[in-house]
Amino acid sequence: QKEVEQDPGPLSVPEGAIVSLNCTYSNSAFQYFMWYRQYSRKGPELLMYTYSSGNKEDGRFTAQVDKSSKYISLFIRDSQPSDSATYLCAMTPAPGTYKYIFGTGTRLKVLA
Amino acid sequence: EPEVTQTPSHQVTQMGQEVILRCVPISNHLYFYWYRQILGQKVEFLVSFYNNEISEKSEIFDDQFSVERPDGSNFTLKIRSTKLEDSAMYFCAGLNSGEQYFGPGTRLTVT
Repeated sequence: QKEVEQDPGPLSVPEGAIVSLNCTYSNSAFQYFMWYRQYSRKGPELLMYTYSSGNKEDGRFTAQVDKSSKYISLFIRDSQPSDSATYLCAMTPAPGTYKYIFGTGTRLKVLA
Repeated sequence: EPEVTQTPSHQVTQMGQEVILRCVPISNHLYFYWYRQILGQKVEFLVSFYNNEISEKSEIFDDQFSVERPDGSNFTLKIRSTKLEDSAMYFCAGLNSGEQYFGPGTRLTVT
């Protein structure tokens, strides 16, 4: 079983839709969770960073963590064509010296 | 807003040649990382660096790879003898307060 599983998509939604992106993981040592957005041939851009189980909101983005199920989600409200990108989840036991493990990324296309 | 920068943006080299990829992290970052991303594949951890030492490295980071922070600002990744399979995007990242920020990457093409 892979340490981090993420559906690669592509996921196509109409503009204004709510998007749900998910990752599952197998290693219970992971305690810190990140969501990145990556445009084609660019570096990953940090969107959300969470530690505890529960929800964290930032503008149109909500990150959700369920450590008991080893499941994390990113919700995008009122999606825009400019949200079209690949969304990567990443996780680590602790920020700092430990490695970060990335999911394969989900390609999202928001249609105008 | 300060950003992580990387040079060059694109490097083409012949198999067997040495390459050095350069990164300038944000000044208040304490931890530094190199990742690679082969085209169409996931971002893979190579190495983490703290207090002028390697903290953790992956199986990919073999004897052909080395990292250095020669002058307190630059952070370099050296590949001693490049192979075709080293062709990838290489990303540098820095971390402060748990948030990890990536540079724009260097595209390495080995021919």
